[in-house]
Formats: sequence, structure tokens, C-alpha cells
Amino acid sequence: NAGVMQNPRHLVRRRGQEARLRCSPMKGHSHVYWYRQLPEEGLKFMVYLQKENIIDESGMPKERFSAEFPKEGPSILRIQQVVRGDSAAYFCASSPNDRYGYTFGSGTRLTVV
Amino acid sequence: AQTVTQSQPEMSVQEAETVTLSCTYDTSESDYYLFWYKQPPSRQMILVIRQEAYKQQNATENRFSVNFQKAAKSFSLKISDSQLGDAAMYFCAYRSPTGTASKLTFGTGTRLQVTL
Repeated sequence: NAGVMQNPRHLVRRRGQEARLRCSPMKGHSHVYWYRQLPEEGLKFMVYLQKENIIDESGMPKERFSAEFPKEGPSILRIQQVVRGDSAAYFCASSPNDRYGYTFGSGTRLTVV
Repeated sequence: AQTVTQSQPEMSVQEAETVTLSCTYDTSESDYYLFWYKQPPSRQMILVIRQEAYKQQNATENRFSVNFQKAAKSFSLKISDSQLGDAAMYFCAYRSPTGTASKLTFGTGTRLQVTL
């Protein structure tokens, strides 16, 4: 079992470009969560998805951010028209149900220049 | 909404000694889960230990144990026989049991240094 796979590990984008972050959950896990970690801070919840459904997006900024978890393929976190303030580490986690602890991926560090 | 507070931004412990990291939380729920995660410089979030609120017995995992005081809403982590590899950021986290509330709420973290 390869664990939660995130790619890319590092992503550099210029202001105004789009960033696409990918997350493949552990085999058998149908619950996916995205978190953002700003420098020297804890992780902040963004969105919770199950296959083809957004369950909770209360932590997502209202504009420019979107997430999906299609029937086939990885979960995608998309940030349109990135700004410097989007620079952060973005973590994906997966779980087999909503009662157990998560397994986290290694994160994607997004740098906006 | 639930909140998690870690009041110690940094802690230091000598190798082979014991250290306790503090965590308090606020909730109106009676059933929930509490976690400690370790984040070394590699940035990987590693689950250290988990506690179900309905269990009175404190969780233990090898050198790691918790002191769970439900009435006081306190969940401290004790690391015994500290090792250099324990140096990392430690995050306390709260999770509601089910459904749309099952996201993790994290504290701001405690940076643990281990000295020789």
C-alpha cells in the first residue's frame, strides 16, 4: 500500500497562473480531506470530499479555489489566478471512514512568485 | 465550533528524559476523538497516538502516552526516554465523530527540541 500520494512535491507559479494539486488516497479510502499550512502555523481545514461529492467545503476561500474527487482518478485542488498569499503547504489526507484517524500525504509546497 | 489550544510554542528535553506537551480543547460534544501528530522537518504528518473520548483508559503507544482529562478538556502527551528523532513539531487535533463535522481541528503546535 503506497500511502497517500501527492504531486507535485513542489510547485512554483507566477501570480495569475493556475495551480493544480493532485492527491491519490490510500487504496480502499473513499474520504479525502485537504488542509493548508501557512509558515509556522498549524493545518487549517479546507474541504472534505467523497467520491464525486463535496461533503464540507466550509474552509475553502469563496473565490479562485475549487476541489473535486472524481469517480476515477485522483482528487484535485485547483487554485485559479494565484496570488502571493496562496504560498503554503497543501496537505491531502485520506480515511476509510469518518471515524478513524487520517493518513496524510507528504504535502505540496506551493510558491507564488 | 471546536477549538484546540497548545500553550507551549517550544519545549526542550534532554535525551533519555521525559517531556509532557500540553493541549486543551473546547467542545460541547460528548463523543469525539483526539490525536497527536508529529511533523518532522520532512513535513510529513505522522499520527503518534489517538484517544476516543468514551474510553476512560489513557492511550499508550510505546514511549508515547496521553493524560486524558475529559472533564478538564485536557489532552497532554508524554514522551518517555526521549530520542533525537523525536525532535519535531507536535500538533494536537480534535475530530467530531461523524459526517460533515469529521474534519480535524488542529492546535498551533509545539516545537520540541531534543538535546544531548
